[in-house]
Amino acid sequence: KNEVEQSPQNLTAQEGEFITINCSYSVGISALHWLQQHPGGGIVSLFMLSSGKKKHGRLIATINIQEKHSSLHITASHPRDSAVYICAVRGQGAQKLVFGQGTRLTINP
Amino acid sequence: NAGVTQTPKFQVLKTGQSMTLQCAQDMNHNSMYWYRQDPGMGLRLIYYSASEGTTDKGEVPNGYNVSRLNKREFSLRLESAAPSQTSVYFCASSEWVPTQPQHFGDGTRLSIL
Repeated sequence: KNEVEQSPQNLTAQEGEFITINCSYSVGISALHWLQQHPGGGIVSLFMLSSGKKKHGRLIATINIQEKHSSLHITASHPRDSAVYICAVRGQGAQKLVFGQGTRLTINP
Repeated sequence: NAGVTQTPKFQVLKTGQSMTLQCAQDMNHNSMYWYRQDPGMGLRLIYYSASEGTTDKGEVPNGYNVSRLNKREFSLRLESAAPSQTSVYFCASSEWVPTQPQHFGDGTRLSIL
């Protein structure tokens, strides 16, 4: 079992829909990261959180430390949100990140 | 502000050839990382350098060597390329603080024939 599991692996939705991507992890962490990778593109850090909730524009990230679970939400989704979303965790006292396999999101107009 | 710069962006090698992937960051970060990304798999850490003068193995170090040339630069070398090393390689940098994000380069797409 991977330390970081994302679901779903693939998600297709219509423009305007509310999107939720989930991330579960099995170790104690100091921080959880959500990253975005556009097709053929580089990787951009969206959020880093260790508790509670963060919001940036239409993106919201939440984390429940007790349940070892995080969600990334996209409100009013748009085709430009189509990308691979990656969850990664940094273990307590660790320098390294452990990555999930990513969720491929496609938003159709 | 360029962030993390990787060169080259694309490369095709023959089995047995050697090459070095270059990475430089201009954010004065202490820590640098090399990852590979393969279809259906998450990013996997090859090597990292927590600070200038130190390097450590990651999850998949076999077949690779690294050099932390100075605080800015961290290179990845394939001594004898193998088809299994066909991948997209990403360099990243961060501060040595758990609550700081990693900044990624644009990647190097490497094909070994």
